[in-house]
Amino acid sequence: SAVISQKPSRDICQRGTSLTIQCQVDSQVTMMFWYRQQPGQSLTLIATANQGSEATYESGFVIDKFPISRPNLTFSTLTVSNMSPEDSSIYLCSGEGGRGEEDEQFFGPGTRLTVL
Amino acid sequence: EDKVVQSPLSLVVHEGDTVTLNCSYEVTNFRSLLWYKQEKKAPTFLFMLTSSGIEKKSGRLSSILDKKELFSILNITATQTGDSAVYLCALGGSNYKLTFGKGTLLTVNP
Repeated sequence: SAVISQKPSRDICQRGTSLTIQCQVDSQVTMMFWYRQQPGQSLTLIATANQGSEATYESGFVIDKFPISRPNLTFSTLTVSNMSPEDSSIYLCSGEGGRGEEDEQFFGPGTRLTVL
Repeated sequence: EDKVVQSPLSLVVHEGDTVTLNCSYEVTNFRSLLWYKQEKKAPTFLFMLTSSGIEKKSGRLSSILDKKELFSILNITATQTGDSAVYLCALGGSNYKLTFGKGTLLTVNP
């Protein structure tokens, strides 16, 4: 199975600033995704990170607020822009499993973001 | 819109008990149903189910899918304190996206 790492693991940020989260997979994966998990809630998909083209955003999420890059098949970044306390969440990236079963997604360890 | 409903939302048991967690769903384009265990941050993959009636098993954990009645169950036998976690059910729909349920918080007391 793919091993996924994320940086930073946690951060505390001031309102109005931006934070870029990096996601690295140890093997090439076709699909990469970004999720948000607000306190006490389940995971909500933010967007699909597409290699070589713009990310595909879910309803309620926009590129200006959550710009995403996917320069190759092993790496992606998510930026949380102009942050407010409501953006305090765990942000997780995932990739398809790599066992030939494309739905078997594995997750990175997450980035715990606190906005003051 | 795809929908996943898990029950119960929380459960407290004693070590050695057997538990059954439920997941029902509504989906336009079913691809798979997945179970994850979340202890701290990252959900850990447990099972992926695509066919009805075929039980998947890993140690004390097992799961089965019923595509006619649109539900799945996750069984844990002889529970241990290390099983305490949130168990997430996710629906794999179109474009490989996952829709998650709210999870079941399982607490296993010694």
